[in-house]
This record gives sequence, C-alpha cells and structure tokens, in this order.
Amino acid sequence: NAGVMQNPRHLVRRRGQEARLRCSPMKGHSHVYWYRQLPEEGLKFMVYLQKENIIDESGMPKERFSAEFPKEGPSILRIQQVVRGDSAAYFCASSPTTGSPGANVLTFGAGSRLTVL
Amino acid sequence: DQQVKQNSPSLSVQEGRISILNCDYTNSMFDYFLWYKKYPAEGPTFLISISSIKDKNEDGRFTVFLNKSAKHLSLHIVPSQPGDSAVYFCAASVSGATNKLIFGTGTLLAVQP
Repeated sequence: NAGVMQNPRHLVRRRGQEARLRCSPMKGHSHVYWYRQLPEEGLKFMVYLQKENIIDESGMPKERFSAEFPKEGPSILRIQQVVRGDSAAYFCASSPTTGSPGANVLTFGAGSRLTVL
Repeated sequence: DQQVKQNSPSLSVQEGRISILNCDYTNSMFDYFLWYKKYPAEGPTFLISISSIKDKNEDGRFTVFLNKSAKHLSLHIVPSQPGDSAVYFCAASVSGATNKLIFGTGTLLAVQP
C-alpha cells in the first residue's frame, strides 16, 4: 500500500503560468481533501471531493483555483495565472467512505511545494 | 476566524521529561479531535485522536485529554524523546458531515538530549 501519492513534489512556475498538482489517494479510499500551508502558517482546508463530485469547496479561492477527481485517474488541483502569493505547500489527504472504520482520520501525502517566481 | 488555536508556537523540553501541548477550540459542534505530527518536507502523520464522548485516550507514550466545558484539549508525551521533535498540529472535525479537519497553527516541539 503506497499511501497517498502526490506529484510533483516540487514545482516552479513564473507568474501567469498554470500549475497542476496531482494526488492519488490510498487504495480503498474514495474521499480526497486538499489543504494549503502558507509559510509559517497551519494547514488550511481548500476542497473536499469524491469521485466526479465536489462536496465542499468552501476553502477554495473564488478565482483561478479549481479541483477535480475524475472517475479514472488522480485528483487534480489546478491553479491558473499563478501569483507569488500562491507559493505554498499543497497537501492532499484521503479517507475511506464516511461511516466506515477510520473515516474520521485523514491520511496525508508528502505534499507538493509550489514556488512562483 | 480561527476555530482551532494553538497559542504556543514552540516548546522546548528535556529528554525523558513530559511534553504538554495545548489546543483550544471555539466551535461547540466539533466532536472529534486529532493530533498530527509533521517533520520538515513531509506530510502530517496521524498520532492520536479522541471522540467527544471521552475525556482521555492513551496510546503508549501519548495521551490526549479533552475538557469539553473549557473547549480545551492537550497532548501529553511521556517520556519525551529526541525523535519526538517535530511540529504538532491539533485538528477538529464534525463527524458524519464532510469529516474535513480544521487545523491549528501548530507547535514546534524541540526535545533536547
């Protein structure tokens, strides 16, 4: 069981470019969460997805940010027209189906560190 | 609106002594609380949790205490070891909804040999 896999681990973009971060949940997990950690801050919830559905996007910035979790393949966090303030560590987490054992505990990936020049 | 607060950004403890990390919350709907440990350049790893129906949960050297009336929880590590040096995050959730976790800002624990 490889755990939650995130790639790329490090991504450098220039202002105005697009950033795509990918996340494959743990085997058997159907729920995916994205969090952002700005320098010197805690982890801030961004979005919660199930396969083909966005369940809670209350933490997503209104513009430039989008997320998806298609029927096949990894979850994608997409940031368009990046700005310096988007530089952060982006963590993906997964959990089993709500109500199943361990559903309250999120398992995190190692993160993707985005640097915007 | 910081619903989960960790007011101590850092804590230094001697090896073998007890480490006590504190966390306060404001949302009375939270009914599940977790502690995560994070090393630099890694993702947070789950440490221990507690449901609001309990006031204590113990796992080896780690014990979490919950005081619902004070909206306060704490993590006790005893005895502390140098390998425990990391950032500790407190998190809370409302069960059965989205299970999304709301995190505190973290406490950097340094265990001195």
